[in-house]
Amino acid sequence: SQQGEEDPQALSIQEGENATMNCSYKTSINNLQWYRQNSGRGLVHLILIRSNEREKHSGRLRVTLDTSKKSSSLLITASRAADTASYFCVRGGSQGNLIFGKGTKLSVKP
Amino acid sequence: GAVVSQHPSRVICKSGTSVKIECRSLDFQATTMFWYRQFPKKSLMLMATSNEGSKATYEQGVEKDKFLINHASLTLSTLTVTSAHPEDSSFYICSAGEDRGRSGSYNEQFFGPGTRLTVL
Repeated sequence: SQQGEEDPQALSIQEGENATMNCSYKTSINNLQWYRQNSGRGLVHLILIRSNEREKHSGRLRVTLDTSKKSSSLLITASRAADTASYFCVRGGSQGNLIFGKGTKLSVKP
Repeated sequence: GAVVSQHPSRVICKSGTSVKIECRSLDFQATTMFWYRQFPKKSLMLMATSNEGSKATYEQGVEKDKFLINHASLTLSTLTVTSAHPEDSSFYICSAGEDRGRSGSYNEQFFGPGTRLTVL
């Protein structure tokens, strides 16, 4: 079964605005990852944040992790139309597999 | 980063035929690969764990006789959809992680580009 719920399920913003997506999970984690998927395409790994980290940056992306609240957020600053995609938070399963949330569909309008 | 390839990227077949999808890790070895399926507008669902040199581990509800997995080498896993039907139409994605001895406790996975299967 899937664990990890993103919200919102869909987000529509204007180019230049910031986009914030949140993720909650139910069990303890070693790390949490965010992936991006363009429509009908494969997945692209964005950021991995370990359980002992609180915040991580990569370019215009900022990920936070609050293990006490079992939640994470992905912030995309100064969004671009090319950021339009689905974003998934993913936690590692006990066998090395990945467990995906339902994803947030981000639409950035030019 | 490491690269995982999938072939074919897109396949259209008639109902009743079998389709083989290949997943290759191009510059690293992976004793374990994972096969996911994604229905339209839905998230990924893990189908099975492919283990080099041994039988695959299937998730509950996935028919192992229908979705045959062979992990013949440290760089290649294949998924064969046997006697495909229209309801098998989906996006199939594989992933592989470097063997844990190199990546430590990471679960970082590298994903293939996916294969879109359409069964007519």
